[in-house]
Amino acid sequence: AQSVAQPEDQVNVAEGNPLTVKCTYSVSGNPYLFWYVQYPNRGLQFLLKYITGDNLVKGSYGFEAEFNKSQTSFHLKKPSALVSDSALYFCAVRGGNQGGKLIFGQGTELSVKP
Amino acid sequence: GAGVSQSPSNKVTEKGKDVELRCDPISGHTALYWYRQRLGQGLEFLIYFQGNSAPDKSGLPSDRFSAERTGESVSTLTIQRTQQEDSAVYLCASSLGLVFGANVLTFGAGSRLTVL
Repeated sequence: AQSVAQPEDQVNVAEGNPLTVKCTYSVSGNPYLFWYVQYPNRGLQFLLKYITGDNLVKGSYGFEAEFNKSQTSFHLKKPSALVSDSALYFCAVRGGNQGGKLIFGQGTELSVKP
Repeated sequence: GAGVSQSPSNKVTEKGKDVELRCDPISGHTALYWYRQRLGQGLEFLIYFQGNSAPDKSGLPSDRFSAERTGESVSTLTIQRTQQEDSAVYLCASSLGLVFGANVLTFGAGSRLTVL
């Protein structure tokens, strides 16, 4: 069965500092990995995805994520956090041989303080 | 339409009543998903439709939950004999489907269900 773990319920960062939101996964076959963001009172939005190729993936709003096969991780990163980055972040995974079923993690609340 | 449309946006019902939630996906999107998001929690997978294939119902929590989809368009999620633990936001999403590679989902605004 496929699963996603986001070990931190909340991450607090000062504006201008780098941020990392952690994600680990378990799937059969090659993983397809995603990050989505949910801003307050707004719908879920796609940030970035890893399919194949370069392990470092760049996405919207200056975010990037690094795929690490040996550690089965796909951590979300940003070099310099903004207050406006404060939101709920979800990691999601689909197994390459498990059809289109997409499983989400429990979410990590990112809070960026001025 | 331009986005995924869900209705109603809010539904308050009494315990034991049946409710029906509707989702209009983006035109041309062959894949459609339903998720449940309880207050302060993550997204719980419910069901996935892909074209004319049999749906993946592995996430439906009980036989009180069912969903249908008409071809590659509208989907309805039905909850029978609602219970208080069914209170949540029900999110629908659609995507172009597997033939286009990893499926990026576009989400609707959700239907907030409150069971009294």
